[in-house]
Amino acid sequence: DAGVTQSPTHLIKTRGQQVTLRCSPISGHKSVSWYQQVLGQGPQFIFQYYEKEERGRGNFPDRFSARQFPNYSSELNVNALLLGDSALYLCASSLGLDRPNEQFFGPGTRLTVL
Amino acid sequence: EDQVTQSPEALRLQEGESSSLNCSYTVSGLRGLFWYRQDPGKGPEFLFTLYSAGEEKEKERLKATLTKKESFLHITAPKPEDSATYLCAARNSGGYQKVTFGTGTKLQVIP
Repeated sequence: DAGVTQSPTHLIKTRGQQVTLRCSPISGHKSVSWYQQVLGQGPQFIFQYYEKEERGRGNFPDRFSARQFPNYSSELNVNALLLGDSALYLCASSLGLDRPNEQFFGPGTRLTVL
Repeated sequence: EDQVTQSPEALRLQEGESSSLNCSYTVSGLRGLFWYRQDPGKGPEFLFTLYSAGEEKEKERLKATLTKKESFLHITAPKPEDSATYLCAARNSGGYQKVTFGTGTKLQVIP
């Protein structure tokens, strides 16, 4: 079975631009979460979606938004990019909200903001 | 606020030298304690889930244990290929099931 896939792998943007990152979960998984990982730190929770509804939001500004589609894939959008948004953006999928609820991560999208 | 603290930040072991990594957590209503392995530039790789105090899980040279305040990842007779950053994460039981990660322990195993 294919794991979590993310696109693109790498992205370079300039300050003020907008970016869209994409994620396809493991087949059968209905929950998708997004994380931001800055070098040397653990992943920080941005959003969780389950059955196309937002079920969790971390401490990120409104410039960050996401959605989940009927096929459970997801997009993360970031507007008005800042230099500090440069990071590895990770998508994780899980079966649902009850046990087993471990998340499986994709390879990430490396975003560089110049 | 939920907190997950890992120690040490970095650990250097000789091949075959066993050790333990620590994860202390403060989470409102634990609904899962997770261990991941992360290689540079890659996404975290799932290792274990622990749900309640006293639970233990094993996989090859790794063994994870859980108490009410801490989790330990024991590495027995490590090999150089075990070198990676090990991340601990905890899920709470709030209306939003937030997962909080620690900053990780960077393990280097020297031949």
